[in-house]
Amino acid sequence: KAGVTQTPRYLIKTRGQQVTLSCSPISGHRSVSWYQQTPGQGLQFLFEYFSETQRNKGNFPGRFSGRQFSNSRSEMNVSTLELGDSALYLCASTSGGAPYEQYFGPGTRLTVT
Amino acid sequence: AQTVTQSQPEMSVQEAETVTLSCTYDTSESNYYLFWYKQPPSRQMILVIRQEAYKQQNATENRFSVNFQKAAKSFSLKISDSQLGDTAMYFCAFMKSSGDKLTFGTGTRLAVRP
Repeated sequence: KAGVTQTPRYLIKTRGQQVTLSCSPISGHRSVSWYQQTPGQGLQFLFEYFSETQRNKGNFPGRFSGRQFSNSRSEMNVSTLELGDSALYLCASTSGGAPYEQYFGPGTRLTVT
Repeated sequence: AQTVTQSQPEMSVQEAETVTLSCTYDTSESNYYLFWYKQPPSRQMILVIRQEAYKQQNATENRFSVNFQKAAKSFSLKISDSQLGDTAMYFCAFMKSSGDKLTFGTGTRLAVRP
């Protein structure tokens, strides 16, 4: 089976712009979760989508949003980018049921200048 | 809220030796999952091992094994016969049994010396 794929792998944006990241889960997986990884804050949960519905949400401002399509692919959008949004964004997929093992993609490195 | 603590920011081990990484957590849940993930310099997070809290038997995956002490809320990872490819950041993570988000520790950077 192909693993989780994320596009693009690298992205450079300017403050105030918006960005969309994409994640394709492992075939058959219906749940996609997004995490932000920074040196200062570590790994933080953004949100989780299951069958096109947001099932869980972390403590991030409304500038961070996401969606999931009928084929389970997910996108994450960040509007009005700030310097502090520079991070590695990781996507993880799981079948959606126990034992909830999450398999991660390679990540998208976002740099905001 | 759950918290996960990894008190060893960095560790080093000689190739072929054994090393143990520590992890403690705090939760009021009675049933949950614990995971160890490995993140090599290439950045891809890789699942190493999983433990269900209701299982008393410690999980083992080849050279990787855990010491799960539920009462002490401790979940350490033992790597036997360390290999150069084990060099990575190791994250301990907690998940409620309902399949909620992963809560990660701050990680332990492991260097395997040749």
